[in-house]
Amino acid sequence: KQEVTQIPAALSVPEGENLVLNCSFTDSAIYNLQWFRQDPGKGLTSLLLIQSSQREQTSGRLNASLDKSSGRSTLYIAASQPGDSATYLCAVGTGGFKTIFGAGTRLFVKA
Amino acid sequence: KAGVTQTPRYLIKTRGQQVTLSCSPISGHRSVSWYQQTPGQGLQFLFEYFSETQRNKGNFPGRFSGRQFSNSRSEMNVSTLELGDSALYLCASSLAEGPIGELFFGEGSRLTVL
Repeated sequence: KQEVTQIPAALSVPEGENLVLNCSFTDSAIYNLQWFRQDPGKGLTSLLLIQSSQREQTSGRLNASLDKSSGRSTLYIAASQPGDSATYLCAVGTGGFKTIFGAGTRLFVKA
Repeated sequence: KAGVTQTPRYLIKTRGQQVTLSCSPISGHRSVSWYQQTPGQGLQFLFEYFSETQRNKGNFPGRFSGRQFSNSRSEMNVSTLELGDSALYLCASSLAEGPIGELFFGEGSRLTVL
């Protein structure tokens, strides 16, 4: 059974700091891994999608890596800003047309 | 290009009632999946539809059901509501036929059961 874990559960950093969010999964047989952002009471916004054959994806200040063999992904945020404050979730696409989500990391960037 | 639209955005029901939530996917997307989000359980998969066929269902009781129409719009229904059904219900659409597509989410329907 696929399980997705995100560490840390919460993180507070000063503005301008570079940071890394971690995601681990138990079954390496995944189709893709997606990172999302969620603001309070809102839906999820897709940040980056990594296919199982890829190692990383970049979008602006965001870089996501994927290591299937070790069951890990990281989301790197460069030069963090207060507007980056949100909950970040990772999700793995599995067989059976099902996507499994981690519990998320709540990020607070202090001005 | 319009995003995923969910209606209603907010609703309040009482125990024992039933509720129907609607989801209109991004134009051209034929896969629609539903998730329940609660503070204690996080995001949990409910079901996924493609071309009017349910391809997978999560571990929820039979009170939770769904369907997809020929125009790819989807509805989910919860009957005999319980207090524990209070949650944010999120719908996502995808272009791909399988679990290889990028998911795009709506803003959700927040259900409160009193």
